[in-house]
Amino acid sequence: AQRVTQPEKLLSVFKGAPVELKCNYSYSGSPELFWYVQYSRQRLQLLLRHISRESIKGFTADLNKGETSFHLKKPFAQEEDSAMYYCALGAFGNEKLTFGTGTRLTIIP
Amino acid sequence: GAVVSQHPSWVICKSGTSVKIECRSLDFQATTMFWYRQFPKQSLMLMATSNEGSKATYEQGVEKDKFLINHASLTLSTLTVTSAHPEDSSFYICSAPSSGRSYEQYFGPGTRLTVT
Repeated sequence: AQRVTQPEKLLSVFKGAPVELKCNYSYSGSPELFWYVQYSRQRLQLLLRHISRESIKGFTADLNKGETSFHLKKPFAQEEDSAMYYCALGAFGNEKLTFGTGTRLTIIP
Repeated sequence: GAVVSQHPSWVICKSGTSVKIECRSLDFQATTMFWYRQFPKQSLMLMATSNEGSKATYEQGVEKDKFLINHASLTLSTLTVTSAHPEDSSFYICSAPSSGRSYEQYFGPGTRLTVT
């Protein structure tokens, strides 16, 4: 069975400080991992996917298969980063995504 | 990018009535769509997978007779909440996966249902 764990429901960080949102997954096959973000009063949107190995809005996430983790990081938080962040797991051959419970990130000015 | 719309954006109905929510992919075709339920400040709960031309696949614990799903065309899926009760009040979100982009999903803006 697939499972995604985001241990922190709430995370507050001062502006300019580093941010790390944790995500661990459980899946026996080869995972596809994503971070989705939901800003206030907006729809859920893709932030980044592991397969692209890209940096979006200063965020990066590295897939660590040994630790089954896909933590989201940003070196210097900005106020506009305040949002709800969801880690999601996809399985090869199945379009369904399994979402974590989400972490609400608040950037303190 | 691809756009998914939902209609209505919010609806209030009386207990015992039925409500239909539409989900449309505006500029792409979707043989599969997903319906989620989101409680205030909580995560998304996948309710069912809507399949064009065949029956929906429901997640464990979701009543298929209460949440009727119809995928009428390659751009439209509907969720009907039948005999709605106050506990059905929630935010319902649909999504459609992109094709050939590693299972990225495009989400609708959601529908706020309030049952009085």
